[in-house]
Amino acid sequence: KAGVTQTPRYLIKTRGQQVTLSCSPISGHRSVSWYQQTPGQGLQFLFEYFSETQRNKGNFPGRFSGRQFSNSRSEMNVSTLELGDSALYLCASSHPDGQVVYEQYFGPGTRLTVT
Amino acid sequence: KQEVTQIPAALSVPEGENLVLNCSFTDSAIYNLQWFRQDPGKGLTSLLLIQSSQREQTSGRLNASLDKSSGRSTLYIAASQPGDSATYLCAPKGASGGSYIPTFGRGTSLIVHP
Repeated sequence: KAGVTQTPRYLIKTRGQQVTLSCSPISGHRSVSWYQQTPGQGLQFLFEYFSETQRNKGNFPGRFSGRQFSNSRSEMNVSTLELGDSALYLCASSHPDGQVVYEQYFGPGTRLTVT
Repeated sequence: KQEVTQIPAALSVPEGENLVLNCSFTDSAIYNLQWFRQDPGKGLTSLLLIQSSQREQTSGRLNASLDKSSGRSTLYIAASQPGDSATYLCAPKGASGGSYIPTFGRGTSLIVHP
């Protein structure tokens, strides 16, 4: 079974631009979560989608948004990029039921650099 | 708000040693705790998942224990190998205002010398 895939793997953007990242979960998984990882703040939860609905949300500004499609693929969007948005963005999927007790499987991440 | 601390922050050992990595968390109302490894610049690989009702889980040379009441988990690595070199992260998952969000520690950076 294929793992979680993320595209693109690397991205360079300029301040003020917007960016869209994509995540395809493991086949059959309906829960997709997004995380931001930086050297200063570590790994922080952005949001989780389940069956096309945002179920949980972390403490990030409204510039960060996401969505999930009927095939469970998810995208996250960051508008008006700031230098501090440079980070590794990780996506994770979990069990078809999306229940809290199940483990998460992570993708390889998208490395975003904002200049 | 859940706070997760991992000790030590870094560890450098010769091959063959048995290792103990520690994870402590402030809010014991968790549903489970997951241990991950992360290689530089890569995503996370799940190692072990312990449910709140369990005391420990084992996978090969890895053993993780959980003491929910005291807010502690330990990852034991037996007979360490250079391929074990990575950052190890723990993530307890608890309820936050009705949401189920994992909180990650900053990790233990492990180097195993041949």
